[in-house]
Amino acid sequence: DVKVTQSSRYLVKRTGEKVFLECVQDMDHENMFWYRQDPGLGLRLIYFSYDVKMKEKGDIPEGYSVSREKKERFSLILESASTNQTSMYLCASSLDRHSGANVLTFGAGSRLTVL
Amino acid sequence: GENVEQHPSTLSVQEGDSAVIKCTYSDSASNYFPWYKQELGKRPQLIIDIRSNVGEKKDQRIAVTLNKTAKHFSLHITETQPEDSAVYFCAASKGGSYIPTFGRGTSLIVHP
Repeated sequence: DVKVTQSSRYLVKRTGEKVFLECVQDMDHENMFWYRQDPGLGLRLIYFSYDVKMKEKGDIPEGYSVSREKKERFSLILESASTNQTSMYLCASSLDRHSGANVLTFGAGSRLTVL
Repeated sequence: GENVEQHPSTLSVQEGDSAVIKCTYSDSASNYFPWYKQELGKRPQLIIDIRSNVGEKKDQRIAVTLNKTAKHFSLHITETQPEDSAVYFCAASKGGSYIPTFGRGTSLIVHP
């Protein structure tokens, strides 16, 4: 009963390539997030979205953009991949902006290597 | 903004011992504190959470305590087992905000 699906588990790209990471949730959640996970640095928020076509910058948005054309889908885009973007990328979703306790449901992650 | 500090970064225990992971937060308005567990190669999953109107919450071998005055909260695991080995993340968020701030994680290793 996978609820948050990331389309690619492993990707290898070359410097300068455009990279798309796709995330789909089937729980009708309003909020969706993209995190980057690096050893010793924890989970760092790249971008989030609380509604279709809405997006907000997180803590480390530089070099990334996002798209949310449909409620269930949130895409992370690397316009020109660089080696320092080699990382594990985690997508997550949560119910809405008004719940007192928003539990995040994470995807399995996409491990991106940029050569 | 909120800042969450988590210690230790690595914790090694023998099976059957207890393990304690501590987090501090900076924003006194924070009122929801979840803990996520990430096993090797798997996604983070919520294991327990606590709201600011409660001082302690327990679920079998795991418990979380909250000290609002000192702005810190802790995860306690008793009778540790090898399957408890994982990275644990604490987080904090406040009413009206749906965006949690995460600690950097603690890698717990339970030796059989």
